Amino acid sequence: EIVLTQSPATLSLSPGERATLSCRASQSVSSYLAWYQQKPGQAPRLLIYDASNRATGIPARFSGSGSGTDFTLTISSLEPEDFAVYYCQQRSNWPPTFGPGTKVDIK
Amino acid sequence: QVQLVESGGGVVQPGGSLRLSCAASGFTFSSYGMHWVRQAPGKGLEWVAFIRYDGSNKYYADSVKGRFTISRDNSKNTLYLQMNSLRAEDTAVYYCAKDLSAGDASYYFDYWGQGTLVTVSS
Repeated sequence: EIVLTQSPATLSLSPGERATLSCRASQSVSSYLAWYQQKPGQAPRLLIYDASNRATGIPARFSGSGSGTDFTLTISSLEPEDFAVYYCQQRSNWPPTFGPGTKVDIK
Repeated sequence: QVQLVESGGGVVQPGGSLRLSCAASGFTFSSYGMHWVRQAPGKGLEWVAFIRYDGSNKYYADSVKGRFTISRDNSKNTLYLQMNSLRAEDTAVYYCAKDLSAGDASYYFDYWGQGTLVTVSS
């Protein structure tokens, strides 16, 4: 099973700042990586798939990059609604697995 | 718009059974693989099970294999999860999730239900 680690665990930023979240895989997942956003009491929402493709309706301030074992989710300028927990997920190897999450909170 | 509505959660004793349902609308249900994903209280996400669009293939996480059964009724646009021999560690919010791709599954989850809480406790 592929293990995903995310850093940092918590990111404290102000609205308007740039957020950079990291996800590292225990072995190569090629580009088969997704990012999800989850707000308290809500279901996760797909943001990015195949490392860099934005899902339907996702604003352009969200971007993904990386391949192999190292991936990044960037939020170019944080909006108030972006403060949430972000999970990465791989589908390269069965079973699909998720990272532990990065919480982006307001500084 | 795509809607997924889970039901059937509740409190059950260890060793008991529960059947979850997920009513789908807003897309051609019979064209998409479907998943169950769970989240223990205050914890991260764990993929549980997948069923192909036509029901011909089913896959399970090792943690639930032999105890849980995923199924679907395409005539009713409904997904199911039969959970037997429940354990305390199965306590979680259970989400049904639509696969991103029609036909062959992508194992990305583009729409999720609101979740239903299953609590296994004596």
